[in-house]
Amino acid sequence: KNEVEQSPQNLTAQEGEFITINCSYSVGISALHWLQQHPGGGIVSLFMLSSGKKKHGRLIATINIQEKHSSLHITASHPRDSAVYICAAVTTGNQFYFGTGTSLTVIP
Amino acid sequence: EPEVTQTPSHQVTQMGQEVILRCVPISNHLYFYWYRQILGQKVEFLVSFYNNEISEKSEIFDDQFSVERPDGSNFTLKIRSTKLEDSAMYFCASKGDRYTEAFFGQGTRLTVV
Repeated sequence: KNEVEQSPQNLTAQEGEFITINCSYSVGISALHWLQQHPGGGIVSLFMLSSGKKKHGRLIATINIQEKHSSLHITASHPRDSAVYICAAVTTGNQFYFGTGTSLTVIP
Repeated sequence: EPEVTQTPSHQVTQMGQEVILRCVPISNHLYFYWYRQILGQKVEFLVSFYNNEISEKSEIFDDQFSVERPDGSNFTLKIRSTKLEDSAMYFCASKGDRYTEAFFGQGTRLTVV
């Protein structure tokens, strides 16, 4: 049973394309994280959301609490955006549930 | 910029041996976490720690695992008797408070042989 489902699993885009990665969760959450994992394995937190929308540069994250769904958008994608993007739901008990990740490759 | 530091970056150990993975969280952070990622699989939550005690743990975090904050700066994960299936990348993370971003360390790759 997966508490967090991400789609797509793999995504290849041309440089400049608009990208959307989706995340659905089944647990009650206090927050949802979007993380970026680089090829070397290091993890960076991109966003933490509990409602609405956040924007940082070319990255936008949205969450719909009623629908238990979040999206990560990348505008004007660039090869350096190539990474694995992971959605993680945090329960009110402070337990994390991770999605399987979306492997993004942006081709020049 | 403050960062979470993990040592060692790679550890190889014999099956049955005890290992201690070390993490130095960001200094004014209060919430601490350990996760693991088996090669090719998703990241899995192990344990969260606040106010000198475990606040949540997953099914993976059985009696073989323990965490400690021995001196107010380090946050350690001990595996008492390692098994082959404990081979994974172990990540530590910390947060200033419950509702802020988590900062992750670079991970310790544990290989049990």
